[in-house]
Amino acid sequence: ETGVTQTPRHLVMGMTNKKSLKCEQHLGHNAMYWYKQSAKKPLELMFVYNFKEQTENNSVPSRFSPECPNSSHLFLHLHTLQPEDSALYLCASSQDLPRGGFFYGYTFGSGTRLTVV
Amino acid sequence: DAKTTQPPSMDCAEGRAANLPCNHSTISGNEYVYWYRQIHSQGPQYIIHGLKNNETNEMASLIITEDRKSSTLILPHATLRDTAVYYCIVTGNQFYFGTGTSLTVIP
Repeated sequence: ETGVTQTPRHLVMGMTNKKSLKCEQHLGHNAMYWYKQSAKKPLELMFVYNFKEQTENNSVPSRFSPECPNSSHLFLHLHTLQPEDSALYLCASSQDLPRGGFFYGYTFGSGTRLTVV
Repeated sequence: DAKTTQPPSMDCAEGRAANLPCNHSTISGNEYVYWYRQIHSQGPQYIIHGLKNNETNEMASLIITEDRKSSTLILPHATLRDTAVYYCIVTGNQFYFGTGTSLTVIP
C-alpha cells in the first residue's frame, strides 16, 4: 500500500458506457496527476492538479474529463471511449510540483487496468 | 529540462549486482537525479535520488560521476523480484519517465 489508492483495479466498458476512475491520497500532498500507459509505451502525462486547480492538460481528448473536488481526491470520468483507450491508468500525488531542483517525488497508485470493448 | 539516456534492456544473474547506467549530459547544477522502477502493471515505485554525492538506502546505491553527466544505479544482490523497468529521471519542470531500462533477473 503506497498511500495512493485507485479504484477499481480492473474495468471493462463498452464504447457507449460512462464510467469513472477514482484516486484517493491521504499523504497530505497538494498535487495530483493522471497518467496513461499503453502497452509497451512510456507513461503519458494527462492531467495535473495543484491545490485543486488544473494546471496542465496535455491535449487529452474530451472523452476524458478529470475532476478534483479537493486535494485528496481525483476522478477521471470516461465517456464514449475507443478501443485504443485501453491502457493502465495511473494516479500519482506529490507534495509540490516539479520545478527543477529538489523535488519530493511522486507516489503512485497501483493503477486501473481499463479495457474498452 | 535535462534528458536522460538509458539502455533499453539488461539481464542480470540472480544474486549478482545489477548496474544500471544513465546518461544525463545536459543536467543543470541544481537538478537532481531520481530513480524509479515499475514492476509489471503496477505504478512506478521510488528507489533513490541524489544531487552530486553517492547515496545508499535499503534498496540500492546511486553513484553519480564527478561531472554529474552520468549515474549508475546499483542493486547489490539482485533477486527475481527486481525484474522491472527502471527509470532514470532528472528534475525539471516536468518529471519525464521515458522508456527506461527493462531489467530481467535470471535464475
